[in-house]
Amino acid sequence: QVQLVQSGAEVKKPGASVKISCKASGYTFARYAMHWVRQAPGQRLEWMGWINVGNNNRKYSQKFQGRITISRDTSANTINMELSSLRSEDTAVYYCARDLYSSSLDFWGQGTLVTVSS
Amino acid sequence: EIVLTQSPGTLSLSPGERATLSCGTSQDVGSDSLAWYQQRPGQAPRLLIYRASTRATGIPDRFSGWGSGTDFTLTISRLEPEDFALYYCQLHGPSLFFGGGTMVDIK
Repeated sequence: QVQLVQSGAEVKKPGASVKISCKASGYTFARYAMHWVRQAPGQRLEWMGWINVGNNNRKYSQKFQGRITISRDTSANTINMELSSLRSEDTAVYYCARDLYSSSLDFWGQGTLVTVSS
Repeated sequence: EIVLTQSPGTLSLSPGERATLSCGTSQDVGSDSLAWYQQRPGQAPRLLIYRASTRATGIPDRFSGWGSGTDFTLTISRLEPEDFALYYCQLHGPSLFFGGGTMVDIK
């Protein structure tokens, strides 16, 4: 069965970077694009970016351009998301999700809480 | 940026009742790019509907979606206890945007 397992919760200071991993299993890894979506407390879901796992093309939301890097490790069936220059507003649960059809997202990781606090 | 507006913000209903949730978009998005998700407390979102009306694998047929252009609807024909949750619409395609959500709670 399809599973996406994310790395654990992080606490970071403002200005630091965070890197979250998402390990996929149960399907052919390279066949599906992967997205990152975050949810700040009490806020709506917010798309951050995606990676075409097969050809490594990436697209980022304009809001995060310059601060976000999404990468893949095909040998480990893992994608990573690194967000730099963290600020308190980046406190959120971060999800990876698989692209079923044209960015509709059929499987999600369990979420990783990132807390940014001095 | 396309804005998705969901209404109502909260829907209070009893088990067995019909729920109708709306999602409006600020631009015409056609009929192929709208998804619906369910989110229970402490859980990740779950895809219910994509392409406005296609149920995702394993989704019960009490969930149905329809619409095109700027107006979309998710209907739950008879609410089961596990259906009381938060629901989001999402524009999918080259751009991804989410609505603000509708909470379906027990009356």
